[in-house]
Amino acid sequence: KQEVTQIPAALSVPEGENLVLNCSFTDSAIYNLQWFRQDPGKGLTSLLLIQSSQREQTSGRLNASLDKSSGRSTLYIAASQPGDSATYLCAGPTGANNLFFGTGTRLTVIP
Amino acid sequence: DTAVSQTPKYLVTQMGNDKSIKCEQNLGHDTMYWYKQDSKKFLKIMFSYNNKELIINETVPNRFSPKSPDKAHLNLHINSLELGDSAVYFCASSQEPPRGNQPQHFGDGTRLSIL
Repeated sequence: KQEVTQIPAALSVPEGENLVLNCSFTDSAIYNLQWFRQDPGKGLTSLLLIQSSQREQTSGRLNASLDKSSGRSTLYIAASQPGDSATYLCAGPTGANNLFFGTGTRLTVIP
Repeated sequence: DTAVSQTPKYLVTQMGNDKSIKCEQNLGHDTMYWYKQDSKKFLKIMFSYNNKELIINETVPNRFSPKSPDKAHLNLHINSLELGDSAVYFCASSQEPPRGNQPQHFGDGTRLSIL
């Protein structure tokens, strides 16, 4: 069964700093790797989806990478802003066609 | 326009009661899901329907019964509610099942509290 771990569990950075969130998974046979953000009291918003054949995806200040062989993905946020404060989750489906979520990283960007 | 909408947003009820949560998506997606997020914020799949047919049914008590009257709706009925059922329940949808390369879209959640 796929297990997804996210480190760190919480992170505080000053505004403007670049940061990296980490996601590791045990089953490398994932079909894709997805990054979401969750704001308090809200559902999840999809940020980036990396297909298994891809190495990275970019959207604005966000860049996500995928290394299936090592079971790792990273989300890089450039020039962080207070509006980036949220919980970030990664998830990846395997042969069971089930989307396994990590435990999340709670990010606080301090103005 | 809300893409995935759930009702009610909050649900407070007594142990032993039966309750339903409704979900509707206007994205034209073929696959819908129910997730449970516990107090530690861990999100776990409960059910998934593709074109009104059940494709994922994780280890969930049979007190929980999903019903999909059409592709745009996936409702969740819970019988004999227990204290451990207190959680946030999220509905989501996607054009394809998770193995496809389309992201999932989530509702804002239903916060269920059992007294």
